[in-house]
Amino acid sequence: NTKITQSPRYLILGRANKSLECEQHLGHNAMYWYKQSAEKPPELMFLYNLKQLIRNETVPSRFIPECPDSSKLLLHISAVDPEDSAVYFCASSQRDWGVANTGQLYFGEGSKLTVL
Amino acid sequence: GDSVTQTEGPVTLSEGTSLTVNCSYETKQYPTLFWYVQYPGEGPQLLFKVPKANEKGSNRGFEATYNKEATSFHLQKASVQESDSAVYYCALGDSGSWQLIFGSGTQLTVMP
Repeated sequence: NTKITQSPRYLILGRANKSLECEQHLGHNAMYWYKQSAEKPPELMFLYNLKQLIRNETVPSRFIPECPDSSKLLLHISAVDPEDSAVYFCASSQRDWGVANTGQLYFGEGSKLTVL
Repeated sequence: GDSVTQTEGPVTLSEGTSLTVNCSYETKQYPTLFWYVQYPGEGPQLLFKVPKANEKGSNRGFEATYNKEATSFHLQKASVQESDSAVYYCALGDSGSWQLIFGSGTQLTVMP
């Protein structure tokens, strides 16, 4: 899947800071970060819909998203914790005006974070 | 709030046998229902979606009917293949929620 690219694909960290990057080439107007822990469904962390940020309030404040333009998405992680070990997926979709949520999500291949 | 419940996994089948993965949902809205499939090392990808009640969706031999009365959306396939081994997620999306609600996922393993 080259329509949504994520980097890095794998990272192993101690208590460090790191940024994940995502770029979508689909012309979509909404981008997402999902966290998927082992044997769990994807869990939404953040949504940028028409550049408006919607945050899942359960996400720790050490995760900071950034959307520099409509095709790029970053996730800054400071002082990672072992519970942050997971695969982080970027996704995008074309959303209707407002919050209608009936469109298809396209996922990237994920960035697997292992915290020592 | 909205919720999705699906067959607890894992499910192991032999090639050529039939598959049913149960999915039920709760919502006060008029949702679009989805089945996503996730292969190892990849992100989930859409299998198919059904936006309207009492309609059927299908793709690659998989199908599901949006049953509004029973609030169900069971996934079926008449004859599974080894290449169908993956995790299958039922999901719900509607205008009242800003996120897709995923079920817990069902791991399917098909033995040759």
